[in-house]
Amino acid sequence: QLQLQESGPGLVKPSETLSLTCTVSGGSINSYYWSWIRQPPGKGLEWIGYIFYSGSTKYNPSLKSRVTISVDTSKNQFSLMLSSVTAADTAVYFCARHPSAMPFFDYWGQGTLVTVSP
Amino acid sequence: EIVLTQSPATLSLSPGERAALSCRASQSVGSNLAWYQHKPGQAPRLLIPAASNRATGIPARFSGSGSGTDFTLTITSLEPEDFAVYYCQQRSDWPPTFGPGTKVDIK
Repeated sequence: QLQLQESGPGLVKPSETLSLTCTVSGGSINSYYWSWIRQPPGKGLEWIGYIFYSGSTKYNPSLKSRVTISVDTSKNQFSLMLSSVTAADTAVYFCARHPSAMPFFDYWGQGTLVTVSP
Repeated sequence: EIVLTQSPATLSLSPGERAALSCRASQSVGSNLAWYQHKPGQAPRLLIPAASNRATGIPARFSGSGSGTDFTLTITSLEPEDFAVYYCQQRSDWPPTFGPGTKVDIK
């Protein structure tokens, strides 16, 4: 059974860079697309961006200037970096898999809460 | 971007009852609409990847219908494990967007 697990600091200071990693187990990262999605407290889900296992990426235009997603196929991991964070970036961050570029997400992680606070 | 609206925001029902959840898109998405179930502290679960096709392993009591701008997720007879938040998501245009969710809680 494929499992995804997010990891990273739960607290980030304003103006700093949020960094998270998603570790994929029970299957290979190869041949699939991998996304980051977030949910601010009390709000809806927002797609952040994806990376294909080969390294090609696509980002939400609303976050594109601040987002970098990378992949390490040797570790079966992919990562998110979000720069210049503010309190508005406080959210539960999910990683997810999708079989095609235009996604529906067939496997998700449980999510990790990241709080932006001094 | 395409905006999805879900109604009602909350649906209070008893086990065994039928639930009908609505998702409306601000423009046509064809059949490119997915449904997810989400319980607190758990990973969201894909129910319907494309309007009416159930994902692998999803019970037959879950069904999706609709096309264009109006979609419905129906749960024919609620089981205790079905009380959760349900989200729709369009995959017709970039960026993919989600509805705000419908919470199905126990009456």
